[in-house]
Amino acid sequence: GEDVEQSLFLSVREGDSSVINCTYTDSSSTYLYWYKQEPGAGLQLLTYIFSNMDMKQDQRLTVLLNKKDKHLSLRIADTQTGDSAIYFCAESPNSGNTPLVFGKGTRLSVIA
Amino acid sequence: DTGVSQDPRHKITKRGQNVTFRCDPISEHNRLYWYRQTLGQGPEFLTYFQNEAQLEKSRLLSDRFSAERPKGSFSTLEIQRTEQGDSAMYLCASSSEDGTPSYEQYFGPGTRLTVT
Repeated sequence: GEDVEQSLFLSVREGDSSVINCTYTDSSSTYLYWYKQEPGAGLQLLTYIFSNMDMKQDQRLTVLLNKKDKHLSLRIADTQTGDSAIYFCAESPNSGNTPLVFGKGTRLSVIA
Repeated sequence: DTGVSQDPRHKITKRGQNVTFRCDPISEHNRLYWYRQTLGQGPEFLTYFQNEAQLEKSRLLSDRFSAERPKGSFSTLEIQRTEQGDSAMYLCASSSEDGTPSYEQYFGPGTRLTVT
């Protein structure tokens, strides 16, 4: 079955770059997503990448996809204290527009 | 576009009681999803609808859970005879089949259920 793995914690200093990693198992996943969750809140869609892309950049966010290794990463440039949150990687198996499979989330702590 | 809304935001109930949650999706979205999130975990899929048709139910969805989307707009999730293990955040999301090939799912703020 599908499985998504993430490291649980990451701590960075304000102004540094953060890199959050994710591995997934379903090779048929068409879209891969990154969501952000702040305490007590729902999930905010940050960005996504289509499986035929290697990289996508969106302002401070860069997503890298290594389809061969089924590895996805999210880089946040110039990390700010407001970026402190839990970040979830999710895959959409099969052709997309299907229920998402989430990782357990990476808790990012930004130290001022 | 007011986003996905959920009601109530918090619910405390005694074990054995029934509870019902409501989700209002983004108005033009035809797909609606329910997920459950427990502490320290990512959201887990429960069920989803395309318009009023329920397309899939997870094996997590026991017989005590039922979901409806009677007119293809809002949806309700009912839990009968609640158990302490049902305590979780219940998240609703919606997406559109039309116009956005990336099929992004937009989430509501969630309903936090506490069963005492």
